[in-house]
Amino acid sequence: AQSVAQPEDQVNVAEGNPLTVKCTYSVSGNPYLFWYVQYPNRGLQFLLKYITGDNLVKGSYGFEAEFNKSQTSFHLKKPSALVSDSALYFCAVSHNTGGFKTIFGAGTRLFVKA
Amino acid sequence: DTAVSQTPKYLVTQMGNDKSIKCEQNLGHDTMYWYKQDSKKFLKIMFSYNNKELIINETVPNRFSPKSPDKAHLNLHINSLELGDSAVYFCASSHGREYDYGYTFGSGTRLTVV
Repeated sequence: AQSVAQPEDQVNVAEGNPLTVKCTYSVSGNPYLFWYVQYPNRGLQFLLKYITGDNLVKGSYGFEAEFNKSQTSFHLKKPSALVSDSALYFCAVSHNTGGFKTIFGAGTRLFVKA
Repeated sequence: DTAVSQTPKYLVTQMGNDKSIKCEQNLGHDTMYWYKQDSKKFLKIMFSYNNKELIINETVPNRFSPKSPDKAHLNLHINSLELGDSAVYFCASSHGREYDYGYTFGSGTRLTVV
C-alpha cells in the first residue's frame, strides 16, 4: 500500500535562513510526488511536482524539492525563508495504477519568525 | 474569475438535517473531487468524477451522495447530518488524472453540525 509521511508537525525557522520540510513515501513502482501549501482559511495550492527527470524540481514562490530514490524522500526546500511562507505544507504521492488515488501526508506547519 | 468555487463557505446546521454543497470549476478540467479535511488537517478523498462518471468512491457513509450534472459541476449532498460530519470539505479539479498535473482546490466549505 502506498503511504506518505511528514515526520515533523511543525518547523520553525528564522527569516532569511534556509528551510527544509521533510517528506518520505512508500509506493511500489514509480511515484508521482507533489507539494501543496495551505494558507489559513484557503484551499491547497499546488507548489511543485516530480514525475520523472531531474531530481531537483523547482516550483512556485522560490521553492524546490529534491527527489531521492534510495532514501524514498522528497524534501521541500527554500534557500531563504520569508515570513509570508508561514503556512501548512502537504506532501502527496500518487501511483499510476488502476483505481489508485492520491495520498496526502498529515501536513507540516511552517513558522517563519521575523 | 475564480477557478474552483464552492458555496457556501460556511455552513452551520443541526443534527439530522440535510444539506448540499455546490462546486463549480471554469478551468475546463474533466475530473473533479471531493476531499474531507478533519480537525487535525488530515485530508481524505471521498469521491472522484471524470466527465460526470463516478471513478472513486471511498468508504464514505451512504448519507453522502455526489452529483455531477456536467463536467464543470460536482455537488455534494449530505443526509441526516451527524456531529462527526463537522469538517472542512474541499472540492478540487484536475486536467486528466491528478497524478499528471496535480489538483486545483476550491477554498473549502466549513461544515459545523450542532
